[in-house]
Amino acid sequence: GAGVSQSPSNKVTEKGKDVELRCDPISGHTALYWYRQSLGQGLEFLIYFQGNSAPDKSGLPSDRFSAERTGGSVSTLTIQRTQQEDSAVYLCASSTRSSGETQYFGPGTRLLVL
Amino acid sequence: KQEVTQIPAALSVPEGENLVLNCSFTDSAIYNLQWFRQDPGKGLTSLLLIQSSQREQTSGRLNASLDKSSGRSTLYIAASQPGDSATYLCAVISMGSGYSTLTFGKGTMLLVSP
Repeated sequence: GAGVSQSPSNKVTEKGKDVELRCDPISGHTALYWYRQSLGQGLEFLIYFQGNSAPDKSGLPSDRFSAERTGGSVSTLTIQRTQQEDSAVYLCASSTRSSGETQYFGPGTRLLVL
Repeated sequence: KQEVTQIPAALSVPEGENLVLNCSFTDSAIYNLQWFRQDPGKGLTSLLLIQSSQREQTSGRLNASLDKSSGRSTLYIAASQPGDSATYLCAVISMGSGYSTLTFGKGTMLLVSP
């Protein structure tokens, strides 16, 4: 595709359920990033992938959050036992390399935990 | 830890005005600085990327400046139009262990009225 795509665009779930968020980066982009944007907050970094490996998971807020990337392309962010404070927009970005190149952002997934 | 502050948090101007958005950062050891635009319910669109060795970048009616030593960047929008209404985000790009990380400000919400 022409840009980064994310699915679903919106997700409403009940507290305690698990959710999976998907990111399709731009073809050929080896670096992939997940961010979270909470109401009234700036974007916060969650995790970075280079290829299939995640050298930096420092931004994941708790062990309920995990992410994987297979085949150096699609990535999935999983939130287990969702809490209301997990409600946010989850943004994915990709770049050709990790070393300072422009990151291209997807439209985000809006997650609402009731 | 890098902290990015954007002032003002919100700005409302009549169409045609020139305006300046401000961004400051606490750690001057940055790699690049990037300005983004975010429309309601949408992802981020990159506007300008300034490398640390540069002083400014221009694209159309937009001009971004960077003063690393003082930890400041400004985004100048000339002859504002209603279509410029959006949230503008400043992001500082730092290099970690071989990869870049973005630290975002909370944004300036701009409203340009006809």
